[in-house]
Amino acid sequence: DAGVTQSPTHLIKTRGQQVTLRCSPKSGHDTVSWYQQALGQGPQFIFQYYEEEERQRGNFPDRFSGHQFPNYSSELNVNALLLGDSALYLCASRVGSLNYGYTFGSGTRLTVV
Amino acid sequence: SQKIEQNSEALNIQEGKTATLTCNYTNYSPAYLQWYRQDPGRGPVFLLLIRENEKEKRKERLKVTFDTTLKQSLFHITASQPADSATYLCALEGTGGFKTIFGAGTRLFVKA
Repeated sequence: DAGVTQSPTHLIKTRGQQVTLRCSPKSGHDTVSWYQQALGQGPQFIFQYYEEEERQRGNFPDRFSGHQFPNYSSELNVNALLLGDSALYLCASRVGSLNYGYTFGSGTRLTVV
Repeated sequence: SQKIEQNSEALNIQEGKTATLTCNYTNYSPAYLQWYRQDPGRGPVFLLLIRENEKEKRKERLKVTFDTTLKQSLFHITASQPADSATYLCALEGTGGFKTIFGAGTRLFVKA
């Protein structure tokens, strides 16, 4: 049973560009959350999607947007990239609002130059 | 604002000893507290979840306590092994499960 799959694994972008990161949740999971993790820091909550709706958002600017598809897969889009957006972007999934732990993907390492 | 504090300094212990990691939080009343393990370059792996009305939970060599009065959780690894070396993250979640916030983690080194 595949866990959470994220693509691409690594990405290099130039300041001002736009990027789309993709996530396929674990089979049977319908809730997807996105996190940004800077080096040496804990994951920072970006937003959560359930039933194709954004349920809650962390303290991130509108440059960060997302989408969830009917098959529960999700995308994270970041516009007008800044150097400070360089980080590991993690996708996590679980079933509905049941309060179990998340299954995380291995992340996408984004470098903005 | 909500804040989670974990030991910023790395914890070094000898194999076979018990490792104890601390998670303190402020300005938050979590319904659930979770612990994760993260290895370099990988995503976190879920270990244990404890609810606000539970004092203690165990899983194999792991034990978690949750004191909502002190606003603190302790995470214990008994009979530690070098393979337990990793960063351990504490995470809090309110009722509804919309948003889970993480601490910065504590790095654990277990020496053989």
